[in-house]
Amino acid sequence: QTVVTQEPSFSVSPGGTVTLTCGLSSGSVSTSYYPSWYQQTPGQAPRTLIYSTTTRSSGVPDRFSGSILGNKAALTITGAQAEDESDYYCVLYMGSGIWVFGGGTKLTVL
Amino acid sequence: QVQLVQSGAEVEKPGASVKVSCKASGYTFTSYGISWVRRAPGQGLEWMGWISGYNGNTHYAQTLQGRVTMTTDTSTSTAYMELRSLRSDDTAVYYCARNLGSGHLDYWGQGTLVTVPS
Repeated sequence: QTVVTQEPSFSVSPGGTVTLTCGLSSGSVSTSYYPSWYQQTPGQAPRTLIYSTTTRSSGVPDRFSGSILGNKAALTITGAQAEDESDYYCVLYMGSGIWVFGGGTKLTVL
Repeated sequence: QVQLVQSGAEVEKPGASVKVSCKASGYTFTSYGISWVRRAPGQGLEWMGWISGYNGNTHYAQTLQGRVTMTTDTSTSTAYMELRSLRSDDTAVYYCARNLGSGHLDYWGQGTLVTVPS
């Protein structure tokens, strides 16, 4: 079974840039996987940041951007702010209507 | 405005079943699907499945096949997720979300805590 991989944790300084990635245990992520990114802070429902690789969801600040970097999907935060400290999840479309989340990345802003 | 309101917290015994509801308002229910996602304590998000608001077609996560059933009642704009043969590792917050396609879940319910004591 293919596993979706993410960095367990990452840290960034306020105002800095960080790139989180989303890969596959076997194979490369492409736009055909429609990689999407969600943010979840404790006690809150998740929020969609990016869908279909690069499309920013309504109301999401433009410091969040999505891309394909090499064989992975990537979420870049440019000019990180304190409120960006959160858990970030990618999800990939595996075909036949099935989606699979990665394990999530805990981002610390300090 | 679009809202998804979920049913309240549940405590169920191992082996029992639970049915969580998700009542939609503010949009045409049959125009979009509903996805279900859960998060167990100390774990990440898990995609559970999707149901069409139009015709009730479903897709379920392979790990839950045979234990989960998603349904809709278009007369009340409500989606349901039933999970059977509950185990302690089914303890989680369960979320419904409106699915616009291509991974875009734009509105989410508030979450429903289901507890299955071990």
